[in-house]
Amino acid sequence: GQQLNQSPQSMFIQEGEDVSMNCTSSSIFNTWLWYKQEPGEGPVLLIALYKAGELTSNGRLTAQFGITRKDSFLNISASIPSDVGIYFCAGQKSGYSTLTFGKGTMLLVSP
Amino acid sequence: DGGITQSPKYLFRKEGQNVTLSCEQNLNHDAMYWYRQDPGQGLRLIYYSQIVNDFQKGDIAEGYSVSREKKESFPLTVTSAQKNPTAFYLCASSIDPGTSGASYNEQFFGPGTRLTVL
Repeated sequence: GQQLNQSPQSMFIQEGEDVSMNCTSSSIFNTWLWYKQEPGEGPVLLIALYKAGELTSNGRLTAQFGITRKDSFLNISASIPSDVGIYFCAGQKSGYSTLTFGKGTMLLVSP
Repeated sequence: DGGITQSPKYLFRKEGQNVTLSCEQNLNHDAMYWYRQDPGQGLRLIYYSQIVNDFQKGDIAEGYSVSREKKESFPLTVTSAQKNPTAFYLCASSIDPGTSGASYNEQFFGPGTRLTVL
């Protein structure tokens, strides 16, 4: 099955830095979701986006639904050590009951 | 307290044995999903069910089987035919876009079961 192209694969940053990651596809998606997974746990939903061009925030996290509907971006401002984890994007196509996932961006934050 | 539970957290089995992973939800969700996660592979869909007594194969269904006799429960059996069963297995649930008319599919995940086949 198709997977979304998520980049970067990993990031190692200093506490306090801002982080950006993105997800791209050759197909159009109607919904974009961003999840965070901590080691040994299930993914937790961070942000859901439903309209092209939409910009949504959740605390220090901001995500955007690309205007072409083929991409999405997640930004984390002023990172802290507890931001460590793997961030996944997921997209849903119109009429489908399933999600397509990216391979994830592993984020490491140094205190 | 609403949520999704998976048990056990860790499971060890000998090669050639079937094993069943449990997934229960009390969110009143119609749809349930099973994913497999391997390092660097992201999440791959094994099976999903949109309604009781019905389920569909995902991208990697070979060597797995499921049942959906109750809305709350969606157990996954890893059979001896699965060539590489050692992995982290995740169960998820959502309202079903197809039957609810909703335009979104926010899936909520359980804590996962790590299966190791020796």
